[in-house]
Amino acid sequence: EDQVTQSPEALRLQEGESSSLNCSYTVSGLRGLFWYRQDPGKGPEFLFTLYSAGEEKEKERLKATLTKKESFLHITAPKPEDSATYLCAVQANTDKLIFGTGTRLQVFP
Amino acid sequence: GAVVSQHPSWVICKSGTSVKIECRSLDFQATTMFWYRQFPKQSLMLMATSNEGSKATYEQGVEKDKFLINHASLTLSTLTVTSAHPEDSSFYICSARRGGLNNEQFFGPGTRLTVL
Repeated sequence: EDQVTQSPEALRLQEGESSSLNCSYTVSGLRGLFWYRQDPGKGPEFLFTLYSAGEEKEKERLKATLTKKESFLHITAPKPEDSATYLCAVQANTDKLIFGTGTRLQVFP
Repeated sequence: GAVVSQHPSWVICKSGTSVKIECRSLDFQATTMFWYRQFPKQSLMLMATSNEGSKATYEQGVEKDKFLINHASLTLSTLTVTSAHPEDSSFYICSARRGGLNNEQFFGPGTRLTVL
């Protein structure tokens, strides 16, 4: 069964304290792994798509990496405005996305 | 590019009434749209997949007669919650997928439904 597990569930960081969020997956035939950011009461905002092991993508303070079993979202020198829930999702052999439960990130000044 | 809108952003209705939620892709044509439901502090749960011009595919446990989905054009899908009950209160989010090689889904801002 296709499955996505995110850790930690919640993360509190001091402003400037870099860290990483983990997304572990088991899927038959990965077509893509997606990272989204979701603010309270809003829809998810697309961040990255990764398609193959070894691929990396960056956007401002965020960097996403992918291996055959997991993906990491690295946050470098985070700011309070980076506080949100970060969702990971995988797409297997269908159009459907399978979401993890997310990591709630809080960055304190 | 890749903007998806939803209307309304929130709605309060009485038990037994029906509510329609619209999802539009504003700057691209969406071959496929998806409807999700999200309960507080939980992740997104896929309800159904909607392809333009064909019947929606519902996930296991989702009542197709209760959650009516219409995808009449490449830019518009609607979700109608029929005979709503308080347990249908939730945050409903749509997404749209562009055609072509990219598989990204772009999400709308969500609709908060409260059934009294």
